Amino acid sequence: AQTVTQSQPEMSVQEAETVTLSCTYDTSESDYYLFWYKQPPSRQMILVIRQEAYKQQNATENRFSVNFQKAAKSFSLKISDSQLGDAAMYFCAYRSAGQFYFGTGTSLTVIP
Amino acid sequence: EAGVVQSPRYKIIEKKQPVAFWCNPISGHNTLYWYLQNLGQGPELLIRYENEEAVDDSQLPKDRFSAERLKGVDSTLKIQPAELGDSAVYLCASSRRAGSSYNEQFFGPGTRLTVL
Repeated sequence: AQTVTQSQPEMSVQEAETVTLSCTYDTSESDYYLFWYKQPPSRQMILVIRQEAYKQQNATENRFSVNFQKAAKSFSLKISDSQLGDAAMYFCAYRSAGQFYFGTGTSLTVIP
Repeated sequence: EAGVVQSPRYKIIEKKQPVAFWCNPISGHNTLYWYLQNLGQGPELLIRYENEEAVDDSQLPKDRFSAERLKGVDSTLKIQPAELGDSAVYLCASSRRAGSSYNEQFFGPGTRLTVL
């Protein structure tokens, strides 16, 4: 069965600094997608970044980038130049054949 | 483009009462998901629809939960009777047809249910 593990329940970062959130997953599939979602206190979940498993190049979206290690089944999120608005719960998600699996989330605090 | 709409946003009921949640997905999205999210946890799938067909309802507690998506557009999730442990946020999400590229999910704001 597919599982997604986020081993950091809470993280904090100083404003303008860089933070990395960890995610590992377990699968026997070869074709899948990985996502990071952000859920601010208002609870609307929004997509931060996505990665196709068949692509070796790491995805980047402005200040957000991933380190995708397929062999290690690792998919970490790096947030550069952290801003107060980045404070939220971050969920790593795996998708295969239309089904999504989510990790338990990491609560990120940004310290002014 | 309008996002995923859910109503109500908040609901407080007494145990053993029925409750229903409504979701209208993004126009053109064939796939609709209902998730349960407990505090401090990630979303857990309850049911997934492809158009009007429930293709995965293995995690739906069928003794008290039911769902429908009669015309393949909006959907209703019902709990009858509600129990204290059902207190959670119920999230609806939609995406384009499963198997298409990216196929990211778009989430609604959720319905926070409190059972007293």
